[in-house]
Amino acid sequence: GAVVSQHPSWVICKSGTSVKIECRSLDFQATTMFWYRQFPKQSLMLMATSNEGSKATYEQGVEKDKFLINHASLTLSTLTVTSAHPEDSSFYICSARRQGARGYTFGSGTRLTVV
Amino acid sequence: KNQVEQSPQSLIILEGKNCTLQCNYTVSPFSNLRWYKQDTGRGPVSLTIMTFSENTKSNGRYTATLDADTKQSSLHITASQLSDSASYICVVSAKYKLSFGAGTTVTVRA
Repeated sequence: GAVVSQHPSWVICKSGTSVKIECRSLDFQATTMFWYRQFPKQSLMLMATSNEGSKATYEQGVEKDKFLINHASLTLSTLTVTSAHPEDSSFYICSARRQGARGYTFGSGTRLTVV
Repeated sequence: KNQVEQSPQSLIILEGKNCTLQCNYTVSPFSNLRWYKQDTGRGPVSLTIMTFSENTKSNGRYTATLDADTKQSSLHITASQLSDSASYICVVSAKYKLSFGAGTTVTVRA
């Protein structure tokens, strides 16, 4: 149980375009999901906390107009990177916590390359 | 300064050998500590989770220890296999905020 599916696993896009990444909890309802960014050989950095039915909470330094987060249902959160630039190239990972559970389940990650 | 420090940054071991990874933290208040395994290009997968009262927890060949007094944890890998090659991340939780270590990259060679 507690499976989180993230799609796509990798994407290449041109500068200036937007990319949407989906994060789904397959077998549980997740009122809260988290979006992380990871650069090579570095730890995960929390970008934002996504709450179902309300606005996401962004970490300091993360542009909310650039990284749009939508959590319209209890099983789906999306991260849209708008007007992507090469410096946005990174590994993006989502996670979710089943209500009442101690652990967090991570998605398999999305490798974004902006050319 | 990162509140979760892991050492070593990387290590190479021969297949079949054991190794121990370290995690020191300053996160407070402490809720729980988790070890994750992250394969290259994949999301982290949970290995163990320990609360304040738990000193050790095993998951197959992985054994984690926790000393909440000294704020130290270790992850011991027994009889390493090639598939153990990955990054191992220590994550400390304070209520609902997670603090991530930078990870230890383990390379197992035949």
